[in-house]
Amino acid sequence: QTVVTQEPSLTVSPGGTVTLTCASSAGAVTSDSNPNWFQQKPGQPPRALIYSTSNKHSWTPARFSGSLLGGKAGLTLSGVQPEDEAEYYCLLYCGGAQHWVFGGGTKLTVL
Amino acid sequence: QVQLQESGPGLVKPSETLSLNCAVSGYSISSGYYWGWIRQPPGKGLEWIGTIHHSGSTYYNPSLKSRLTISVDTSKNQFSLRLSSVTAADTALYYCVRLFDYWGQGALVTVSS
Repeated sequence: QTVVTQEPSLTVSPGGTVTLTCASSAGAVTSDSNPNWFQQKPGQPPRALIYSTSNKHSWTPARFSGSLLGGKAGLTLSGVQPEDEAEYYCLLYCGGAQHWVFGGGTKLTVL
Repeated sequence: QVQLQESGPGLVKPSETLSLNCAVSGYSISSGYYWGWIRQPPGKGLEWIGTIHHSGSTYYNPSLKSRLTISVDTSKNQFSLRLSSVTAADTALYYCVRLFDYWGQGALVTVSS
């Protein structure tokens, strides 16, 4: 089964910029992988941020953006705020029959 | 505003069947979209369980497929999850979702005798 890999943890300063990545053991991540990104804070359900690589939901702050970079999916936070400290998960569509796989998550610390 | 609410027993015995319902409000399931279940063991990451279309077409995680049934009842505007032969490894917070924008608050299911 496909394994989706994210950085376990990253640290960023307030106001800084950070990029989280999402790689697939099946090969390069493309738009066909339909990358989704989610933010989860303790005690809360995940909140959808990005779908179809780079599309934002109506509630997604402008400082979040999604992209493809070097065979991976990426989530960039520009002008990081203290409230962005959270766990971030990517989700990729893998193979046929509507099969989805989550990454292991990236714990983002704002310090 | 689309809202989803999970319901079902919070405690299931090993080898028995876990059953959860997801009631949807603010949107008619029969209008479209895919709907699904995702789980999160305590302190761990997210796992996609399976997906159902309003037409009834289903797509399951291969690792759970042999034990899993997801169904939809458009007349009640809800969909359901049944996972048979559960073990302690199935203990998790179970979320129902409208792929993948709207999420329920989650239902904690513990497998224990």
